[in-house]
Amino acid sequence: QVQLVQSGAEVKKPGASVKVSCKASGYTFTGYYMSWVRQAPGQGLEWMGWINPKSGGTLYAQKFQGRVTMTRDTSISTVYMELSRMTSHDTAVYYCARGVVVTTNWFDPWGQGTLVTVSS
Amino acid sequence: DIQMTQSPSSLSASVGDRVTITCRASQSISTYLNWYQLKPGKAPKVLIYAASSLQSGVPSRFSGSESGTEFTLTISSLQPEDFATYYCQQSYSTPYTFGQGTKLEI
Repeated sequence: QVQLVQSGAEVKKPGASVKVSCKASGYTFTGYYMSWVRQAPGQGLEWMGWINPKSGGTLYAQKFQGRVTMTRDTSISTVYMELSRMTSHDTAVYYCARGVVVTTNWFDPWGQGTLVTVSS
Repeated sequence: DIQMTQSPSSLSASVGDRVTITCRASQSISTYLNWYQLKPGKAPKVLIYAASSLQSGVPSRFSGSESGTEFTLTISSLQPEDFATYYCQQSYSTPYTFGQGTKLEI
Protein backbone atom coordinates (compact mmCIF):
# COMPACT_ATOMS: atom_id res chain seq x y z
CA GLN A 1 0.00 0.00 0.00
CA VAL A 2 1.02 3.61 -0.45
CA GLN A 3 2.99 4.68 2.58
CA LEU A 4 5.15 7.57 3.73
CA VAL A 5 7.51 6.94 6.63
CA GLN A 6 9.29 9.86 8.23
CA SER A 7 12.42 10.08 10.34
CA GLY A 8 12.33 10.33 14.09
CA ALA A 9 11.94 13.20 16.52
CA GLU A 10 14.65 15.84 16.75
CA VAL A 11 15.75 18.33 19.39
CA LYS A 12 17.72 21.32 18.17
CA LYS A 13 19.14 24.49 19.64
CA PRO A 14 18.10 27.92 18.37
CA GLY A 15 20.02 28.85 15.23
CA ALA A 16 20.52 25.24 14.21
CA SER A 17 19.19 23.38 11.19
CA VAL A 18 17.15 20.21 10.96
CA LYS A 19 16.76 17.76 8.10
CA VAL A 20 13.69 15.53 8.08
CA SER A 21 13.32 12.60 5.70
CA CYS A 22 10.24 11.01 4.19
CA LYS A 23 10.53 7.60 2.53
CA ALA A 24 7.85 6.67 0.03
CA SER A 25 6.72 3.19 -0.92
CA GLY A 26 3.89 1.50 -2.77
CA TYR A 27 3.76 3.84 -5.78
CA THR A 28 5.89 5.43 -8.49
CA PHE A 29 7.95 7.94 -6.52
CA THR A 30 8.55 10.30 -9.44
CA GLY A 31 4.89 10.45 -10.40
CA TYR A 32 3.64 12.65 -7.57
CA TYR A 33 4.69 15.94 -6.02
CA MET A 34 5.44 15.90 -2.30
CA SER A 35 4.46 18.71 0.03
CA TRP A 36 5.56 19.53 3.54
CA VAL A 37 3.06 20.78 6.11
CA ARG A 38 3.70 21.68 9.72
CA GLN A 39 1.63 22.08 12.86
CA ALA A 40 2.96 24.06 15.80
CA PRO A 41 1.64 23.19 19.28
CA GLY A 42 -1.96 24.32 19.62
CA GLN A 43 -1.92 25.79 16.12
CA GLY A 44 -3.34 24.87 12.75
CA LEU A 45 -1.77 23.39 9.65
CA GLU A 46 0.68 25.39 7.57
CA TRP A 47 1.86 24.46 4.08
CA MET A 48 5.60 24.98 3.57
CA GLY A 49 6.12 24.04 -0.05
CA TRP A 50 6.47 21.17 -2.46
CA ILE A 51 9.06 19.29 -4.45
CA ASN A 52 8.67 17.55 -7.78
CA PRO A 53 10.58 14.29 -7.23
CA LYS A 54 11.00 13.77 -10.96
CA SER A 55 12.77 17.04 -11.78
CA GLY A 56 13.81 18.18 -8.31
CA GLY A 57 11.97 21.44 -8.89
CA THR A 58 10.60 23.17 -5.82
CA LEU A 59 8.08 25.79 -4.79
CA TYR A 60 8.32 27.26 -1.32
CA ALA A 61 5.83 29.33 0.62
CA GLN A 62 7.11 32.88 0.84
CA LYS A 63 7.25 32.66 4.63
CA PHE A 64 9.94 29.99 4.40
CA GLN A 65 11.89 31.30 1.40
CA GLY A 66 15.60 31.40 2.19
CA ARG A 67 15.29 29.04 5.17
CA VAL A 68 13.84 25.86 3.71
CA THR A 69 15.38 23.45 1.23
CA MET A 70 13.56 20.44 -0.17
CA THR A 71 15.54 17.76 -1.95
CA ARG A 72 15.07 14.19 -3.06
CA ASP A 73 16.99 10.99 -3.68
CA THR A 74 15.20 8.98 -6.35
CA SER A 75 17.42 5.93 -5.76
CA ILE A 76 15.82 5.40 -2.36
CA SER A 77 12.43 7.09 -2.98
CA THR A 78 13.05 9.64 -0.27
CA VAL A 79 12.43 13.36 0.01
CA TYR A 80 14.04 15.66 2.54
CA MET A 81 13.09 18.93 4.13
CA GLU A 82 15.82 21.03 5.71
CA LEU A 83 14.97 24.09 7.78
CA SER A 84 17.75 26.40 8.87
CA ARG A 85 18.20 29.21 11.41
CA MET A 86 15.48 27.76 13.57
CA THR A 87 13.85 29.53 16.50
CA SER A 88 11.42 28.35 19.15
CA HIS A 89 8.61 29.28 16.74
CA ASP A 90 9.73 26.40 14.52
CA THR A 91 8.85 23.85 17.19
CA ALA A 92 6.21 21.78 15.42
CA VAL A 93 5.22 18.45 13.98
CA TYR A 94 6.36 18.32 10.38
CA TYR A 95 4.47 16.16 7.88
CA CYS A 96 5.20 15.10 4.34
CA ALA A 97 2.13 14.58 2.18
CA ARG A 98 1.81 13.22 -1.35
CA GLY A 99 0.00 15.46 -3.77
CA VAL A 100 -2.68 13.71 -5.79
CA VAL A 101 -3.82 15.50 -8.95
CA VAL A 102 -6.91 14.50 -10.87
CA THR A 103 -9.33 17.29 -11.77
CA THR A 104 -8.36 19.04 -8.56
CA ASN A 105 -5.63 18.15 -6.09
CA TRP A 106 -5.32 17.00 -2.50
CA PHE A 107 -2.89 15.40 -0.07
CA ASP A 108 -2.99 11.64 0.32
CA PRO A 109 -1.46 9.95 2.16
CA TRP A 110 0.45 11.82 4.84
CA GLY A 111 3.48 10.70 6.78
CA GLN A 112 3.18 9.98 10.47
CA GLY A 113 4.80 13.28 11.38
CA THR A 114 8.16 14.24 12.89
CA LEU A 115 8.28 16.32 16.05
CA VAL A 116 11.00 18.95 15.92
CA THR A 117 11.66 20.75 19.18
CA VAL A 118 13.78 23.89 19.24
CA SER A 119 15.02 24.67 22.71
CA SER A 120 18.13 26.02 24.36
CA ASP B 1 -3.03 34.46 -0.21
CA ILE B 2 -6.47 32.87 0.00
CA GLN B 3 -7.88 32.98 3.53
CA MET B 4 -9.96 30.08 4.76
CA THR B 5 -12.35 30.88 7.61
CA GLN B 6 -13.58 27.77 9.39
CA SER B 7 -16.31 27.56 12.00
CA PRO B 8 -16.91 26.64 14.69
CA SER B 9 -13.49 26.30 16.28
CA SER B 10 -14.85 23.68 18.66
CA LEU B 11 -17.99 21.67 18.87
CA SER B 12 -19.44 19.43 21.56
CA ALA B 13 -21.68 16.64 20.34
CA SER B 14 -22.89 13.16 21.19
CA VAL B 15 -22.74 9.84 19.44
CA GLY B 16 -25.52 9.74 16.87
CA ASP B 17 -25.66 13.51 16.38
CA ARG B 18 -25.56 15.18 12.99
CA VAL B 19 -22.87 17.85 12.83
CA THR B 20 -21.90 20.45 10.28
CA ILE B 21 -18.63 22.32 9.91
CA THR B 22 -18.35 25.31 7.61
CA CYS B 23 -15.44 26.78 5.71
CA ARG B 24 -15.53 30.04 3.75
CA ALA B 25 -12.91 31.07 1.20
CA SER B 26 -11.86 34.70 0.76
CA GLN B 27 -12.24 34.36 -3.02
CA SER B 28 -13.57 31.90 -5.55
CA ILE B 29 -11.77 28.55 -5.42
CA SER B 30 -14.16 26.55 -7.60
CA THR B 31 -14.27 23.09 -6.02
CA TYR B 32 -10.61 23.05 -4.95
CA LEU B 33 -11.53 22.33 -1.36
CA ASN B 34 -10.51 19.35 0.74
CA TRP B 35 -11.36 18.14 4.24
CA TYR B 36 -8.93 16.33 6.55
CA GLN B 37 -9.28 14.57 9.88
CA LEU B 38 -6.49 14.77 12.46
CA LYS B 39 -6.13 12.59 15.51
CA PRO B 40 -3.27 12.89 18.03
CA GLY B 41 -0.33 10.70 17.14
CA LYS B 42 -1.78 9.62 13.81
CA ALA B 43 -1.21 10.70 10.23
CA PRO B 44 -3.80 13.16 8.94
CA LYS B 45 -6.37 11.61 6.66
CA VAL B 46 -8.28 13.05 3.71
CA LEU B 47 -12.04 12.60 3.99
CA ILE B 48 -13.44 14.69 1.16
CA TYR B 49 -11.66 16.06 -1.91
CA ALA B 50 -12.91 18.36 -4.66
CA ALA B 51 -15.54 19.73 -2.25
CA SER B 52 -17.86 16.74 -2.37
CA SER B 53 -16.02 13.59 -3.43
CA LEU B 54 -15.72 10.95 -0.74
CA GLN B 55 -12.25 9.46 -0.43
CA SER B 56 -12.15 5.71 -0.89
CA GLY B 57 -12.53 3.88 2.39
CA VAL B 58 -14.13 6.80 4.22
CA PRO B 59 -17.55 6.00 5.72
CA SER B 60 -20.54 7.36 3.86
CA ARG B 61 -21.72 9.29 6.94
CA PHE B 62 -19.20 11.93 5.85
CA SER B 63 -20.27 14.27 3.08
CA GLY B 64 -19.21 17.59 1.62
CA SER B 65 -21.05 20.33 -0.22
CA GLU B 66 -20.34 23.68 -1.81
CA SER B 67 -22.25 26.86 -2.40
CA GLY B 68 -20.15 29.57 -3.96
CA THR B 69 -17.29 30.23 -1.60
CA GLU B 70 -18.89 28.41 1.32
CA PHE B 71 -18.15 24.76 1.92
CA THR B 72 -19.66 22.35 4.40
CA LEU B 73 -18.57 19.07 5.93
CA THR B 74 -21.41 17.05 7.40
CA ILE B 75 -21.21 13.98 9.57
CA SER B 76 -24.66 12.44 9.50
CA SER B 77 -24.45 10.27 12.62
CA LEU B 78 -21.42 10.71 14.84
CA GLN B 79 -19.52 7.62 15.84
CA PRO B 80 -17.03 7.41 18.72
CA GLU B 81 -14.08 7.28 16.32
CA ASP B 82 -15.13 10.61 14.73
CA PHE B 83 -14.08 12.71 17.70
CA ALA B 84 -11.06 14.47 16.22
CA THR B 85 -10.01 17.78 14.70
CA TYR B 86 -11.11 18.65 11.18
CA TYR B 87 -9.47 21.05 8.73
CA CYS B 88 -10.50 22.42 5.39
CA GLN B 89 -7.84 23.23 2.81
CA GLN B 90 -7.88 25.11 -0.48
CA SER B 91 -5.79 23.70 -3.30
CA TYR B 92 -6.76 26.34 -5.87
CA SER B 93 -3.55 28.29 -5.65
CA THR B 94 -0.31 28.34 -3.74
CA PRO B 95 0.37 28.90 -0.95
CA TYR B 96 -2.14 26.22 -0.11
CA THR B 97 -3.96 27.32 3.01
CA PHE B 98 -5.99 25.63 5.72
CA GLY B 99 -8.83 26.68 7.93
CA GLN B 100 -8.16 27.15 11.63
CA GLY B 101 -9.57 23.72 12.48
CA THR B 102 -12.64 22.43 14.32
CA LYS B 103 -12.14 20.29 17.39
CA LEU B 104 -15.04 17.89 17.76
CA GLU B 105 -15.47 16.79 21.36
CA ILE B 106 -17.80 14.54 23.22
